[in-house]
Amino acid sequence: GNSVTQMEGPVTLSEEAFLTINCTYTATGYPSLFWYVQYPGEGLQLLLKATKADDKGSNKGFEATYRKETTSFHLEKGSVQVSDSAVYFCALSEPAGTALIFGKGTTLSVSS
Amino acid sequence: DSGVTQTPKHLITATGQRVTLRCSPRSGDLSVYWYQQSLDQGLQFLIQYYNGEERAKGNILERFSAQQFPDLHSELNLSSLELGDSALYFCASSGLAGAANTGELFFGEGSRLTVL
Repeated sequence: GNSVTQMEGPVTLSEEAFLTINCTYTATGYPSLFWYVQYPGEGLQLLLKATKADDKGSNKGFEATYRKETTSFHLEKGSVQVSDSAVYFCALSEPAGTALIFGKGTTLSVSS
Repeated sequence: DSGVTQTPKHLITATGQRVTLRCSPRSGDLSVYWYQQSLDQGLQFLIQYYNGEERAKGNILERFSAQQFPDLHSELNLSSLELGDSALYFCASSGLAGAANTGELFFGEGSRLTVL
């Protein structure tokens, strides 16, 4: 069945450091891929998405590229801020309109 | 604000009891999804309803049930509660009638259930 694997956390960085959170997926067809973010005490918010191979999703300085050949959707940000501290979830949907399948989440902690 | 409303935000109850969690989806969304978030299991999909009918089932226990009403709000019923049912329960919605479906879900802030 479909599944998502993302790197274990926590990830601890200093402000302005480069961030990469790895995500790989297994799917039988052509899924849409998502990154959601959960700030402390809140629900999940969509951070970015990509719906087909080679698409790049971007938002708030974060970006991820849908790589079909490596079945990956790694999240990157060039310079993290303290306010980026949150839990990040990689997810897939296939086909659209079905439930999202989530990875286990990666906790990011950024210190000043 | 996602437009998805969940009540109650917090709930404390005892083992063996029954609780009902309520979700109002974004205006116009036809699909409602329920997820359970626990520390050890992550985000687990429980069940999906579309326009009042069950569409898909995930890892939902037999002690749990859900329904979606004609006004599209949904309720998740949890019975014979056990300590291990303590978790954050999220509702999400999607499927605005007439709009292209991009697969994105819109999440509520969750209902935190504590079973003592």
